[in-house]
Amino acid sequence: GAGVSQSPSNKVTEKGKDVELRCDPISGHTALYWYRQRLGQGLEFLIYFQGNSAPDKSGLPSDRFSAERTGESVSTLTIQRTQQEDSAVYLCASSLVPLYEQYFGPGTRLTVT
Amino acid sequence: EDKVVQSPLSLVVHEGDTVTLNCSYEVTNFRSLLWYKQEKKAPTFLFMLTSSGIEKKSGRLSSILDKKELFSILNITATQTGDSAVYLCAVSQGTSYGKLTFGQGTILTVHP
Repeated sequence: GAGVSQSPSNKVTEKGKDVELRCDPISGHTALYWYRQRLGQGLEFLIYFQGNSAPDKSGLPSDRFSAERTGESVSTLTIQRTQQEDSAVYLCASSLVPLYEQYFGPGTRLTVT
Repeated sequence: EDKVVQSPLSLVVHEGDTVTLNCSYEVTNFRSLLWYKQEKKAPTFLFMLTSSGIEKKSGRLSSILDKKELFSILNITATQTGDSAVYLCAVSQGTSYGKLTFGQGTILTVHP
């Protein structure tokens, strides 16, 4: 079956512009997570969605970051007024239910110039 | 502060060698430990370990968890060049919803 998909695969933007990253989780997976991976580093948690519950935004680094999810499907991560330190690979993962293994998408490589 | 530490940070071996990757953790309310293989961008799930002392095995890869000493090892036998990747260890905690805390990864390079 189809895995987690993300778009775009690469995004180059100028400092100060807004960007929107998209994630399509595996069908039927109720939990969705966003992570960020800076060059040469491990993954850092950003935000979590589960069903209709309020998302846990505790990992978002600043108020320039926000995310939404439509029901149990597509999620978008928005970064406003991008900064160079936002350059990273943004990975989305989904799991059937919370605490089960997470399956990752291919990521979006964001470069802020 | 929750912490996951992997060692070594990088490892270079030749085909046919056996490698052992280490992951130690200090987290509150530990629930499970996961291993992922990352070749380009998307980490690929390998194992999830919740019980101490029970080895999980998949082909040439195996892993075991020690909840008393707070660590896990990932073994790869008869390594192949296709095993070259970053191996990530992550821990989930029972008080949350499965948010993973990742280690910094081990870069494995297998030469022919």
